[in-house]
Amino acid sequence: KAGVTQTPRYLIKTRGQQVTLSCSPISGHRSVSWYQQTPGQGLQFLFEYFSETQRNKGNFPGRFSGRQFSNSRSEMNVSTLELGDSALYLCASSLDRWTYNSPLHFGNGTRLTVT
Amino acid sequence: GIQVEQSPPDLILQEGANSTLRCNFSDSVNNLQWFHQNPWGQLINLFYIPSGTKQNGRLSATTVATERYSLLYISSSQTTDSGVYFCAVGYSGGSNYKLTFGKGTLLTVNP
Repeated sequence: KAGVTQTPRYLIKTRGQQVTLSCSPISGHRSVSWYQQTPGQGLQFLFEYFSETQRNKGNFPGRFSGRQFSNSRSEMNVSTLELGDSALYLCASSLDRWTYNSPLHFGNGTRLTVT
Repeated sequence: GIQVEQSPPDLILQEGANSTLRCNFSDSVNNLQWFHQNPWGQLINLFYIPSGTKQNGRLSATTVATERYSLLYISSSQTTDSGVYFCAVGYSGGSNYKLTFGKGTLLTVNP
């Protein structure tokens, strides 16, 4: 069974631009969640989706948004990029409708660099 | 919100040594998971362990939910065990349910 697939693996953008990251969950998994990892803040929860509905959102500005499609694939978008958005963005999928209630499986991440 | 503390923050071992990593949390949780992040950034789920003890090869984990801690044991460590170990707790307090990660333990295993 294929794992969680994230694309692209690396991105370099300039301040003010926007970016879209993609995540395909493990087949059969309908919960998808996104996390930002930086050296200073560690792993921080961005948002979580189940059946195309956002179930929960972390403490990030409105520039960070996401969506989930009917096939459970998910995208996240960051608009008006800032230098501080440089990070590893990780997507995870799980079987249960509640992300916190079943094993979480991560993709390899997208490393975003904002210059 | 819930606080998750991991100790030690850094650990250096010689190959073949054993180690214990600890995760303390400040409130009752629905579940707890341990992850290993390798030097290339990949996060691997090691254990989903709301309570009790589980073993997988040289690794085992124990969660004592009533005392709000979990331990990860690594025996006969290998250089490939190097990386960062995270615990994450699933917490559904009030309307704010999410997975909260600790800051991790950086493990270096030298040959």
